[in-house]
Formats: sequence, C-alpha cells, structure tokens
Amino acid sequence: SQQGEEDPQALSIQEGENATMNCSYKTSINNLQWYRQNSGRGLVHLILIRSNEREKHSGRLRVTLDTSKKSSSLLITASRAADTASYFCATGAGGGNKLTFGTGTQLKVEL
Amino acid sequence: EAGVAQSPRYKIIEKRQSVAFWCNPISGHATLYWYQQILGQGPKLLIQFQNNGVVDDSQLPKDRFSAERLKGVDSTLKIQPAKLEDSAVYLCASSLGAVETQYFGPGTRLLVL
Repeated sequence: SQQGEEDPQALSIQEGENATMNCSYKTSINNLQWYRQNSGRGLVHLILIRSNEREKHSGRLRVTLDTSKKSSSLLITASRAADTASYFCATGAGGGNKLTFGTGTQLKVEL
Repeated sequence: EAGVAQSPRYKIIEKRQSVAFWCNPISGHATLYWYQQILGQGPKLLIQFQNNGVVDDSQLPKDRFSAERLKGVDSTLKIQPAKLEDSAVYLCASSLGAVETQYFGPGTRLLVL
C-alpha cells in the first residue's frame, strides 16, 4: 500500500515560478525523503529530512515536515524547464527504515 | 564514485517464462533494495537486504519471485514463471545503512507478453 500521498497529482507552471508539492502520510516515521524521476529513468535523491527536523534547504529546494499533521511539502524556487519530472515523497519507518513511496506529482515547467 | 549498476536495461519475455535481473550496488553499501514500479505508480519495495541477510520481504510474491545477495555484494532478482502483471520497471537501490539515503540504479524495464 502507498503511505505517502502527493498533492497535486499534476502541476504545470511557467519557468521562473515556484512549485509547491505536498505529501501526507499515515504512520510514525523515521524520516521522509523526496525523489525526482525523469521520464523513463531512475530515481534521483533530492533531500532527506529526519523526524526531529522541521525544515531543510538544498539549493533551490526547501522541504518542511510537520509530524503533528503527518505532512511534508517540497518547494522548488525559480523553476526551470529542466525541473520537469515526477516528484515522489517516501516515508522511512520501522527498524529497517522501510521506504514507502507515494504516487507522485508530475511537474511540468513551461518556457 | 560509480553508481548502482543494473542489467539488463530492457527485457521482453512471454508469460510463463523465467527472467533474472542483476544489481551491483555502490561499493561499501551494506543495504540493498529491490523495488517494483508499475507505470503511473510509485516504487514498491519487494525485498531489503542487510549485507547478505533479508531484512524485509513482506511484499515479495514468494510463489514466483526470489532474490539472493550472495557474499553481501551483488544481487539477483528472479521471476519464475512471469505473469502479464509483472510488466514493470525493477529498480535496485543501495545505501550505507538502513536509515541512510538510498541511491537508485537506472532500472530494468520488463515487458511480459
């Protein structure tokens, strides 16, 4: 079963705009990770945020985590056409930190 | 640093045939994962190894799927016999430890006819 549910399922923006994707989950987690997947390719790790962290930055990426609401958001600032991809959140839980992926948000950045 | 290697990249087989996928993780990574990604969905964990021991195989269809990680390095995933619904991308990932970042290989795209 998919624990993480991304919202929206699809997002289309203009280059230079910001893109925000949300992820909700159901159970306690060790950490939450965001991945990017270009069409037909493998997943690229973007950022990991631990359950005791509230916000993390990496370049143009900003991730927040609210464990009380069991939700996370990924903000991509000043988007570029190259950011066009599917974005997945994955929650790590249990002793083995089993990752459960959501269904993904398809982002399209238009010139 | 070399990434996770997988082969083959593509495979087309008839239903009821057998198929095997190979994965070579990043050097030094103790944890290895196999995921199945059906078109339009997120990856689903099939099996997780810690060195050469199985940590989690709760979502592995054990009547037809098997995986091994001999010597705690390379791993193979086998499907025997394949069904139409096994058509998917099979992703291998590795990490230094279970709670660390997972790095994914390019995947093997399987089509079962």
